[in-house]
Amino acid sequence: DQQVKQNSPSLSVQEGRISILNCDYTNSMFDYFLWYKKYPAEGPTFLISISSIKDKNEDGRFTVFLNKSAKHLSLHIVPSQPGDSAVYFCAASLSGAGSYQLTFGKGTKLSVIP
Amino acid sequence: DGGITQSPKYLFRKEGQNVTLSCEQNLNHDAMYWYRQDPGQGLRLIYYSQIVNDFQKGDIAEGYSVSREKKESFPLTVTSAQKNPTAFYLCASSNRDYPGANVLTFGAGSRLTVL
Repeated sequence: DQQVKQNSPSLSVQEGRISILNCDYTNSMFDYFLWYKKYPAEGPTFLISISSIKDKNEDGRFTVFLNKSAKHLSLHIVPSQPGDSAVYFCAASLSGAGSYQLTFGKGTKLSVIP
Repeated sequence: DGGITQSPKYLFRKEGQNVTLSCEQNLNHDAMYWYRQDPGQGLRLIYYSQIVNDFQKGDIAEGYSVSREKKESFPLTVTSAQKNPTAFYLCASSNRDYPGANVLTFGAGSRLTVL
């Protein structure tokens, strides 16, 4: 049973526009949510995280929104750049000892068109 | 530069052979992890280690073994018992600072192909 779901395998956006990547989860006990970016044949790199007690976290062009009642989070990238083209993974974890076990979604491939 | 080094980057194995993937980190992180990625799939946790000489099974530990004799090193052995070993393997580490999210730093990965 997938606890973290990214229902859109791919997304195409024009350069300069907003990219919105979505993620749904089923476990209401998750305390932390993270977004990672991955280029082909490389390891993922951390982008941004959010605690379950917040509804928004911003870092430069990247903003993550959390809607706990809907068990939904989204990553906004504004403005989108060609270098943002990559696979984006949403991940979630519990707190304490449970924080060692991140649960990842299947990823969304973002293509930013120049 | 601090980071995680995985070797080899590409590895080919015949069926029935064991193979060991190396993972070394110089980030002074206490925790280390092994994930597996298959095409179109997310990352799945194989094993993790919170401290030296201790490790726990993740979601898909069957057919794999690990050791954690040194803080810097966390090798993964893919045994012949692993039914579908062909995959991209990722090693990661983290410094578990409370409170906050557990942010993992990943290596570049090792691609294992069973012939």
